[in-house]
Parts: sequence; structure tokens; C-alpha cells
Amino acid sequence: AQSVTQPDIHITVSEGASLELRCNYSYGATPYLFWYVQSPGQGLQLLLKYFSGDTLVQGIKGFEAEFKRSQSSFNLRKPSVHWSDAAEYFCAVGARNDKIIFGKGTRLHILP
Amino acid sequence: GAVVSQHPSWVICKSGTSVKIECRSLDFQATTMFWYRQFPKQSLMLMATSNEGSKATYEQGVEKDKFLINHASLTLSTLTVTSAHPEDSSFYICSAAGLGLAGAPPYEQYFGPGTRLTVT
Repeated sequence: AQSVTQPDIHITVSEGASLELRCNYSYGATPYLFWYVQSPGQGLQLLLKYFSGDTLVQGIKGFEAEFKRSQSSFNLRKPSVHWSDAAEYFCAVGARNDKIIFGKGTRLHILP
Repeated sequence: GAVVSQHPSWVICKSGTSVKIECRSLDFQATTMFWYRQFPKQSLMLMATSNEGSKATYEQGVEKDKFLINHASLTLSTLTVTSAHPEDSSFYICSAAGLGLAGAPPYEQYFGPGTRLTVT
């Protein structure tokens, strides 16, 4: 069965430091992978997506993610975080004509 | 482009009453809309998938008679929580997928801002 695992429930980093949020997926077919961000009380905003091609994907707000098929991973990275990046981050997997399955989310805290 | 709106953004209702939440795709035709529920500090749980002009497909454990979904047009889906109870209090988010989005696969979902439902 398809699933998404985000092993870190909370991550705390200092402002200006680099960030990596982990995501592992389980899916029988070629996955389509997404990272979403959610601020408190808000809907989801798509940060980036991977469908095919270059395995390093650039997104909005300076985020990037790398698809590693051998590791079934799609980790999100940012070289230097800003206080405004504090939010909940969801990794998700989907496929053509299929549903999107969300991970449980990682809450990012930023230290001043 | 690809904007999805929800109305209302928050609603308080009394136990036993019904409440309707609207989800609209503003600049594209949504052939499929999804309704999610999110409890505090938890992930999104898919409740149902609705295709325009068809009956919604509910996920296991979701009461179809309690959560009525209508997708009567390509730009509007509604979720009606019937005889609401305090345990129905939650954040409800819709998403839409469809045609007419340049460069977007049909399965890419665009999310609304959510509706906070509080049942007293």
C-alpha cells in the first residue's frame, strides 16, 4: 500500500541555517511527489513537485527537493531559512488518476 | 491561475444543525474535487472524491449520509455536514483538479484556504 513517512514531527533550526526535511515514500508505480507548506489556520501551498525528468527540483521560496529512487526519498532542502519559513510541511505522493497521500507533517520552528 | 476558494472561511453552528461549505475553482474547470478533514496538528485525511455530475466516492469510515457532497458544476462543489455534533468540529479543506490549466497534469490538485467548523 502506498504511504508517506515523515520521520521528524518537529524540527528546530536557527534563522540563517540550512534545512533538510526528510520524506520517504512507498508506492508501487512511478510516484508523483509533492511538498506543501501550511501556515496555522491556512490552506496548503504547493512548494514544488516532481513528475519526471531532473531529479533535483526547484520550488518557490528558495526550496528544492531531490528525488532519489534508490532510497525512495524526496527530501526538502533550503540553504538558509528565514523566520517566515516557520510552518507545517507536508510531503505527499500521488499518481495519475489516483489520490494524493499525505505524510503526517513536520513542524518547522525557527530560532532567532 | 489555479485559484480555489472556500466559503465560509469559518463557521460556528449549534449541535444538530446542518452547515454547508462551498468550494469553487475560480479560473479553471474542476473535473474532480476532493474534500479533506484536518484535526489540530494532524495531517489531511481524504474524506471523499467527487467528479462533476457523478456521485461522490467516500473513503472508508466516512459517513456518506452525514457528509453530503454535491458537485453539480465544473466550478462548484459543496460539502454539507448534516446534524452536526461537536466531534465534527474540524478544519475542512477542498482541492480541485481539472482541465484547462496550461502545463498542469489533470491529477495535480489545487487547494482551497480551508473552512474552520466549530460545533457548539
